[in-house]
Amino acid sequence: EIVLTQSPDFQSLTPKEKMTITCRASESIGSSLHWYQQKGDQSPKLIIKYASQSISGVPSRFSGSASGTDFTLTINGLEAEDAATYYCHQSTSLPWTFGQGTKVEIK
Amino acid sequence: QLQLQESGPGLVKASESLSLTCTVSGGFIRQSDYYWGWLRQPPGEGLEWVATVFFDGSAYYNPSLKSRVTISVDMSKNQLSLRLNSVTAADTAVYYCARQGGSYSYFDSWGQGTRVTVSS
Repeated sequence: EIVLTQSPDFQSLTPKEKMTITCRASESIGSSLHWYQQKGDQSPKLIIKYASQSISGVPSRFSGSASGTDFTLTINGLEAEDAATYYCHQSTSLPWTFGQGTKVEIK
Repeated sequence: QLQLQESGPGLVKASESLSLTCTVSGGFIRQSDYYWGWLRQPPGEGLEWVATVFFDGSAYYNPSLKSRVTISVDMSKNQLSLRLNSVTAADTAVYYCARQGGSYSYFDSWGQGTRVTVSS
């Protein structure tokens, strides 16, 4: 089973700051890494697919990148509405797995 | 606009079976481009993939649950279902159905989730 480890577990940032979350895979997964945003008790929402591909309707301040087995989600210019927990997910091999989540607080 | 709506019993006794249904509207399960899955999230915890099915009935299961889980589709009702046998407290979670953009792919549309509590 591929293990995804996110860092940090928690971030507290102010509006307009830049947020970076890293997801490290335990083995090579190519670019089959996706990012989701989950606000409060809502269901998760896909925000980045295949490491860096944007999703229609998702603000352009969200972006993703990859370097080997390290994947990064970046939000340039945080807004209050970005307070949420963010999860990475690999779809390279079964079982498909998720990172443990990173909770982002906006001060 | 695709919508997925889960339904379930809410409360299940330990050792019994859990049955969940997801009704799809605004799209068809028969669409060959997509797969359909179930995921769950225990209280205060992260996401776990449970199972995925294609309209032809072919399915993938999480090995950690495979012996207890069955996923199926009913194209006449445009629904997918999940059955989980011999439940324990560890199965207490919010269960989500979601559309998957291919067999090994992302989940691009999610239902609102249905909360299941296993009682002893």
